[in-house]
Amino acid sequence: GAGVSQSPRYKVAKRGQDVALRCDPISGHVSLFWYQQALGQGPEFLTYFQNEAQLDKSGLPSDRFFAERPEGSVSTLKIQRTQQEDSAVYLCASSPNTEAFFGQGTRLTVV
Amino acid sequence: GQNIDQPTEMTATEGAIVQINCTYQTSGFNGLFWYQQHAGEAPTFLSYNVLDGLEEKGRFSSFLSRSKGYSYLLLKELQMKDSASYLCAVSLGNYGQNFVFGPGTRLSVLP
Repeated sequence: GAGVSQSPRYKVAKRGQDVALRCDPISGHVSLFWYQQALGQGPEFLTYFQNEAQLDKSGLPSDRFFAERPEGSVSTLKIQRTQQEDSAVYLCASSPNTEAFFGQGTRLTVV
Repeated sequence: GQNIDQPTEMTATEGAIVQINCTYQTSGFNGLFWYQQHAGEAPTFLSYNVLDGLEEKGRFSSFLSRSKGYSYLLLKELQMKDSASYLCAVSLGNYGQNFVFGPGTRLSVLP
């Protein structure tokens, strides 16, 4: 497709379960970002990739969060042993230069 | 730390003009962005300012004063479809578009 694609759109996980969220960026975009957006709040930065290199992971809230982009295109955000406070929308964005293009996000609900 | 403030909610009438203010204090600055986000959808790019002054784009204009740490988004000839959240974001300039987002302003356009 022409835009950033994320899957699944919705995910319900039991507390303690591991989840994997996928992002397909726009082809050719070097930069890829993950953001976490709580209900009624602005997105908060999690991590940044330039091609396959993870240049900044300072926003990851704990060591239960892990992101990868092994071939410089598709990226996966993994959350281990999910907790209720992990419930949020996880947004992926890719960028060729100035403008960032966002996917629709994955809404994660931990019950 | 990084701090971006904008009003939480605003209401305006169809056909009117509304101005959404944003103030920021950040460790870096590589541009100020405005994004529109409808409920459950991806943020979409509206405007970008890196130099002081006004940028006009159809019904939308954005203003920046770097010395004051201040920006506004001006929406003219409001339409019902403009009801959405408007996110102010500062690019920190470390690399690509590492954004710090404000909390968003929920705009309701009434008939």
